[in-house]
Amino acid sequence: QQPVQSPQAVILREGEDAVINCSSSKALYSVHWYRQKHGEAPVFLMILLKGGEQKGHEKISASFNEKKQQSSLYLTASQLSYSGTYFCGTFYQTGANNLFFGTGTRLTVIP
Amino acid sequence: DTEVTQTPKHLVMGMTNKKSLKCEQHMGHRAMYWYKQKAKKPPELMFVYSYEKLSINESVPSRFSPECPNSSLLNLHLHALQPEDSALYLCASSREQGVKTQYFGPGTRLLVL
Repeated sequence: QQPVQSPQAVILREGEDAVINCSSSKALYSVHWYRQKHGEAPVFLMILLKGGEQKGHEKISASFNEKKQQSSLYLTASQLSYSGTYFCGTFYQTGANNLFFGTGTRLTVIP
Repeated sequence: DTEVTQTPKHLVMGMTNKKSLKCEQHMGHRAMYWYKQKAKKPPELMFVYSYEKLSINESVPSRFSPECPNSSLLNLHLHALQPEDSALYLCASSREQGVKTQYFGPGTRLLVL
């Protein structure tokens, strides 16, 4: 039931852009995005509740395509502080009322 | 304030020991969660408490015993653990169970020898 994220890892130079994808084989009700730095707690970034919804958080935004059962996280003009592992978390339209975390994407921003 | 606190930060225990992990939040949240996270893997749900009652137990071995003494506190009692139980244990809370934002504590890094 775990959503699959791509890419697994990406290295960026400061100022470059990145896209992280989250795909599910089951119909999604909502998508949550978290960032986790090494040895720290996952930090909530944003939640998307409706199909086609897009949300922004500074230079980080996300979209949710309900029909394709996918969400994408967009990081623009990356900063060193963006480094970490990004997880999508999904609630499904049917079944268990749990948050299922995706496989994770390790993002490294270098000077 | 969106703070969830956990103690201890690190714990080393033998396979015959009994220890407890503690989690606290003062956001008035009525759902609290325990997750287990192995290195380079996503968090895996262990237990969910909703209004201080156990709502979900994801088939966790009985050597892990959760407890929710009140709406602000969540404990995880550990007994006779195995080395493969070594992991980061994360506590989280949300306003209610379901499609609500979960806020995570810093975790307890557990090593079982």
